[in-house]
Parts: sequence; structure tokens; C-alpha cells
Amino acid sequence: DTGVSQDPRHKITKRGQNVTFRCDPISEHNRLYWYRQTLGQGPEFLTYFQNEAQLEKSRLLSDRFSAERPKGSFSTLEIQRTEQGDSAMYLCASSLEGTTNYGYTFGSGTRLTVV
Amino acid sequence: AQSVAQPEDQVNVAEGNPLTVKCTYSVSGNPYLFWYVQYPNRGLQFLLKYITGDNLVKGSYGFEAEFNKSQTSFHLKKPSALVSDSALYFCAVRVVMNSGYSTLTFGKGTMLLVSP
Repeated sequence: DTGVSQDPRHKITKRGQNVTFRCDPISEHNRLYWYRQTLGQGPEFLTYFQNEAQLEKSRLLSDRFSAERPKGSFSTLEIQRTEQGDSAMYLCASSLEGTTNYGYTFGSGTRLTVV
Repeated sequence: AQSVAQPEDQVNVAEGNPLTVKCTYSVSGNPYLFWYVQYPNRGLQFLLKYITGDNLVKGSYGFEAEFNKSQTSFHLKKPSALVSDSALYFCAVRVVMNSGYSTLTFGKGTMLLVSP
């Protein structure tokens, strides 16, 4: 396992369309996080999973956003009825509960452009 | 609110010179502090962390950071900069959310440019 994988790397979509991103964390990591990063800003927390349970959601995660981690392994982030303001880099990160590291491993991200 | 601030949008340094990228924090309780680096079109890479112990923390690629409780700072340093160090650097702090679970809150980032 070489790290956190995200697919696709880039997505261009028309406003109003739905998009779905996938994240494959490091296999033994039970914690998974989604972040959003816009130009000139640091990553902003969206949501957190521990195994398959979604335990925390940011206020940034509007009703158009939904995330799942059905078997506690990979996760998907879906955005419905995309808006231009959704254009950003979507980052996934994973970590292992019980370690003192607290250092997340990030994927390379999915860059979404809404036109 | 628990947060970190990176007061500099950009830091310019000549190769071979020492570099410092600044970070200050605002948290309740003992801070867990981190530095990450991001190269173009890539995710963030972990550099180092401060949880407890020595105030000087050593990390990857020759970077180190100094925790200063009285100044609530956690500045990133390197004795001799390389052109390849040019990247975007993020300071982060662990925050505990209303649910009791924790995540990282990031600063807005500082672009480091090392000239040959």
C-alpha cells in the first residue's frame, strides 16, 4: 500500500451536474477525513469517519454534499447540483487510531472546476 | 476559537541561507502543533509535530521547529535552504470538535521561494 489514493485527479463539470470523488486510504487506517482547499487558503475540514461511521460534519458540508464510507475502507464524496463556488481541491486524509503520531497521510487531491 | 496564524504570505530566501516560516497559535490547553508542506498539484506531506517534550522538534528534510509557549509560536526553521525547498508550507493545530473527536485546523499557508 503506497499511500492515500484519490480519483479522479481532475474533474471539470458544468454547473448543476452531480460529481462523485473516491478516496482509498491506507489499508490499516481506520480514520478518514475530507478537506476542501481553495486558492490561497489552507485546507478546511469537511467531515470525519471512524471506520464506516461518519462522526463529524463541518458546517461547510451543505445539504448538497454527502459522504460515505460503506465498508470502512474507501470513501466517496458526492456533490449534487454543483455551483461555481464548489470549485476547489478536495483532499482526503487517513490516520490510525491509537497512535500518538496524529500525523495524517494526505492524498494528492481531486481538483474540481465547475464551469 | 482554536486556530493558527501564518502572518507571511510569502518568504524569500537565497539558497544556503537559513530560513524561518512563522506560525502562531491560539488554543485552550496544551497545543498539538504540526507543519505540512505542499508541492504544486500534490497533497500535503507531514514534516514534523510537537506534542510534548523538547521545545525544538526535528523533522523531515532537515527542517525543525521551535515551540515557544510564552510567545504562542511554532516557527519552522532550516539552517541552510535548498532551491528544492520552494513550496507551500502549512502550520496546523489539533482541535477538538463538539463531538469530542479531533481534527486538524490549518493556517492559510506561506509560500517559500528559495532563489539559486
